[in-house]
Amino acid sequence: DVKVTQSSRYLVKRTGEKVFLECVQDMDHENMFWYRQDPGLGLRLIYFSYDVKMKEKGDIPEGYSVSREKKERFSLILESASTNQTSMYLCASNRVASYEQYFGPGTRLTVT
Amino acid sequence: AQKVTQAQTEISVVEKEDVTLDCVYETRDTTYYLFWYKQPPSGELVFLIRRNSFDEQNEISGRYSWNFQKSTSSFNFTITASQVVDSAVYFCALSESQGGSEKLVFGKGTKLTVNP
Repeated sequence: DVKVTQSSRYLVKRTGEKVFLECVQDMDHENMFWYRQDPGLGLRLIYFSYDVKMKEKGDIPEGYSVSREKKERFSLILESASTNQTSMYLCASNRVASYEQYFGPGTRLTVT
Repeated sequence: AQKVTQAQTEISVVEKEDVTLDCVYETRDTTYYLFWYKQPPSGELVFLIRRNSFDEQNEISGRYSWNFQKSTSSFNFTITASQVVDSAVYFCALSESQGGSEKLVFGKGTKLTVNP
């Protein structure tokens, strides 16, 4: 059974803190994605990685960075969390030449 | 650029009613894929269907059916005899061809509430 896991379901952080969101997939997928989901805005792509150490900006990369040191793990980093980064964060992965994405359960981040 | 429009923000029905979720897309690609995902209250997006642009046959899976019409750039999703467990946010998505990456462009979602 395919699996994408995220380190936390719920997270509460303070403004200015450095925040790490971890995502792990066990399907040996080449591509991994980070989205944020906000009411009325749907899913917006933050960053995308197509290989280890390779990354590409999505539609809303400002305020975020990513790290992919191993094929199965893709981390989203908020260098200095702000209240406008309060959101649901979804990780996904897929195989090269396959558009079907598999999603993790999401992390609901609240920045106070 | 590719675009997906789900004009219905929220739909509320009573159990056993049929409901159709609309999806209209824009693309200049001749080959593309369309998807529907379901996001129940638990939060995880669940894949429902993928449709290739060359395959315009309608698809039926139990109470779910999909109507793909290239002439109107639509890929609508119908739930027959809806149930409370169908309550979720449903997303339509389109493959993005830019840069050779396997990315998807998502609509903003339709929140379906099925009342008992």
